Amino acid sequence: EVHLLESGGGLVQPGGSLRLSCAASGLTFSSYAMSWVRQAPGKGLEWVSTLSGSATSTYYADSVKGRFTVSRDNFKNTLYLQMNSLRAEDTAIYYCAKDIGSGYYYFDCWGPGTLVTVSS
Amino acid sequence: DIVMTQSPDSLAVSLGERATINCKSSQSVLYNSNNKNYLAWYQQKLGQPPKLLIYWASTRESGVPDRFSGSGSGTDFTLTISSLQAEDVAVYYCQQYYSIPLTFGGGTKVEIK
Repeated sequence: EVHLLESGGGLVQPGGSLRLSCAASGLTFSSYAMSWVRQAPGKGLEWVSTLSGSATSTYYADSVKGRFTVSRDNFKNTLYLQMNSLRAEDTAIYYCAKDIGSGYYYFDCWGPGTLVTVSS
Repeated sequence: DIVMTQSPDSLAVSLGERATINCKSSQSVLYNSNNKNYLAWYQQKLGQPPKLLIYWASTRESGVPDRFSGSGSGTDFTLTISSLQAEDVAVYYCQQYYSIPLTFGGGTKVEIK
């Protein structure tokens, strides 16, 4: 059974940085693209970023491009999201999600999420 | 960007009755070369992450009860719960994976009447 567990969330001041991690188990991690999806309090789902299994293809939402960097360590089965220049509007639960494979970016497994709060 | 528009925003249905949720994309998500609609549906219960229900617009994910069904093609899609159960209270989202950026609908909240 696949399990995903995010960590690294917390309270950060505007302009600050935070690094999220997503530990994966129960799968051949390098075979799957992984994504970050966020949800502002009381709001809907917003795709943030996707990284291919080999880490050769990277995609970002315009709202985070140039500020966030996604990466992965396929030996540690871990996905990362480095978030810089954080803004109040980045406040959200951040979920990591596994795609189904073969380059089709819908998600069959999600972590419980980690809350990021950007506030002074 | 493909904009996904869901309707209604919320609906209240009696137990055992049918619930219908609509999702419209701003451009077609039907890929002609394989005749597949790049559209998924998720269920999110309060305090939980989303759960995949349907992909390719009408293929039910393993373990999803058969009262959930998806239909539609091109730009217009529907998620139907044929006989609403108490455990189906949730917010439902559609998502297109036809192109980057991946986009979700705004969500439809389903409650018991």
